[in-house]
Amino acid sequence: ELKVEQNPLFLSMQEGKNYTIYCNYSTTSDRLYWYRQDPGKSLESLFVLLSNGAVKQEGRLMASLDTKARLSTLHITAAVHDLSATYFCAVDLNSNYQLIWGAGTKLIIKP
Amino acid sequence: DVKVTQSSRYLVKRTGEKVFLECVQDMDHENMFWYRQDPGLGLRLIYFSYDVKMKEKGDIPEGYSVSREKKERFSLILESASTNQTSMYLCASRVSGFGGYTFGSGTRLTVV
Repeated sequence: ELKVEQNPLFLSMQEGKNYTIYCNYSTTSDRLYWYRQDPGKSLESLFVLLSNGAVKQEGRLMASLDTKARLSTLHITAAVHDLSATYFCAVDLNSNYQLIWGAGTKLIIKP
Repeated sequence: DVKVTQSSRYLVKRTGEKVFLECVQDMDHENMFWYRQDPGLGLRLIYFSYDVKMKEKGDIPEGYSVSREKKERFSLILESASTNQTSMYLCASRVSGFGGYTFGSGTRLTVV
């Protein structure tokens, strides 16, 4: 059974700081997705990582994928309040229809 | 702009009512999904469909059924709504084999 674990599950940080969210998964996959969810809203796609070593960046967020370590990271640089949200990673089983989701990381960035 | 549209953002229903949640996508995606999301429990898959008239149970199908008569429409049915089905319901679709999900805006259902 594929398991996807995110840590931390909750993170409170100050503006201007850097931090990393980790997404570990338990079986082979080379496709991983990051999503953002604002309070009371639905999920929006952030990054699509489709191969080992993939790195994507948008603004203060950067995501990477290491398929050998079965690990993806979402790095936040010089955090700003607008990045406060819950972040989910999801892993694609290569022979299945559905994505397997992490529990989400609730990120609060304080001014 | 591609879309997944859920028919209602907010619904309030009474215990015992039959409830229909509708989801329509305009991307010609084969796969469609219904999730519920509750605080502290993450996303839990109720049902999914990989083709017209095809459906598969997810992790928590009890108390729910689904219908997919047309490719673009996937309906979630609460046969007899109960208060423990109060939740945020999210519909999503994806193309077969590749790509992430596109989510609808969600339906917040309250059963009283």
